[in-house]
Parts: sequence; structure tokens; C-alpha cells
Amino acid sequence: TQLLEQSPQFLSIQEGENLTVYCNSSSVFSSLQWYRQEPGEGPVLLVTVVTGGEVKKLKRLTFQFGDARKDSSLHITAAQPGDTGLYLCAGCRMNRDDKIIFGKGTRLHILP
Amino acid sequence: EAGVTQFPSHSVIEKGQTVTLRCDPISGHDNLYWYRRVMGKEIKFLLHFVKESKQDESGMPNNRFLAERTGGTYSTLKVQPAELEDSGVYFCASSLGRTSYNEQFFGPGTRLTVL
Repeated sequence: TQLLEQSPQFLSIQEGENLTVYCNSSSVFSSLQWYRQEPGEGPVLLVTVVTGGEVKKLKRLTFQFGDARKDSSLHITAAQPGDTGLYLCAGCRMNRDDKIIFGKGTRLHILP
Repeated sequence: EAGVTQFPSHSVIEKGQTVTLRCDPISGHDNLYWYRRVMGKEIKFLLHFVKESKQDESGMPNNRFLAERTGGTYSTLKVQPAELEDSGVYFCASSLGRTSYNEQFFGPGTRLTVL
């Protein structure tokens, strides 16, 4: 059973388009994180959200934590080829702050 | 400052052989984690060290896996004997503290292939 369901698994869109990646769970998380992973490298943290309803922006990337702290989304505005990569959502469950649970990831390909 | 390093980057062994993976965390990071990604699945937690002590080894698949962190610096993960299902990418991560506010920094991983 997968605790964090990420969708879509694959997404290929044209440069300039907008996209949203979703991360859903039936469990409550104390925090949710988004990572980006390049081939041959480990995941690199993009952002951590800890408060229900929290929104964080990183240039053209907008991250939101659901009000009930069970889900999160990553929205990219005007996608660019440099955004191509594997995006992973991950979370820490209540009272288990040190153990990260990962989703399977969304492989994003931005076509020039 | 050097990041988390892992050695080797790739390992190909036959079923029944032994393999030892090494992780060097960021200097000063007391917390060290091992994770594994099996093909088609998500990255999964294996275990957590605080200095030289095993804090949580609930993710270790079975007793063929042995992790050590003598002296609280680098860590090794030994698989003996290796089985086909052990193939995957093994990631090590380290952090200064152990809460979700303390970022875990990941190494590049060791890709293990068991034939």
C-alpha cells in the first residue's frame, strides 16, 4: 500500500504551458516536501510545507499544502525545458518527523 | 562544503555474493539515513542512525542486510548473500537534526544490480 499517491506519473507538455502535479494521501502529515531528482543524482529538496493551507512560491513554481494536511500540489507556470526532470513528493507523518515517505514521482518533460 | 558521497556508484554482482555499500555523510551531521528505490516503486526508508546508534531499523528488508556506523562517521550497508530482489538504487542521506525542519541531504546513490 502506497501512502502517498502522486499524479500524473508522466507528463509531457509544450514549453510555455502550465501544469499541476498532485500528491494525495489518506493520512495526515506533519510536513510535506517536494524534491527534484536528476539522472544519476539523489533527490534535492525544493520546498517544505508544514501548515495546512500553506502556499510557497519558488520563482515559477507554486507549492500548496492541503488544509487537512493530507495532500499537496505543485504548479508550474510557463514551463521551460529546464524544468524537465523527476519531481517527488514526500512527507513526514505525525510523530515520525525523521522518517520520510516518498511518492513514486512525476516524470516531467517539457518540449521546446 | 562536500555533500553526501556514496561508493561505489554502480555494483553488479551475482546472486549469493556479498556487497558492501559505503556512505560518507556531510561533516557534522549526526543523523544518517539509508533509503532504497526498487525499479517501479517509490524510494523507501531502510534505517536511521543517530551518531553510531541505530535509531530506527524498521525498514530493513531482512537479516541479509547489515548496516553499521562505527565511530559515528561514515556508514556501511552490507548485503549478504545478495538476492535478485535486492537490485535497486540505494540512497544515503544525512541531516543535522532529526525533525522535518532539518533538511535531509541525499547522496547520488549506489545502483546495485544482482544477476
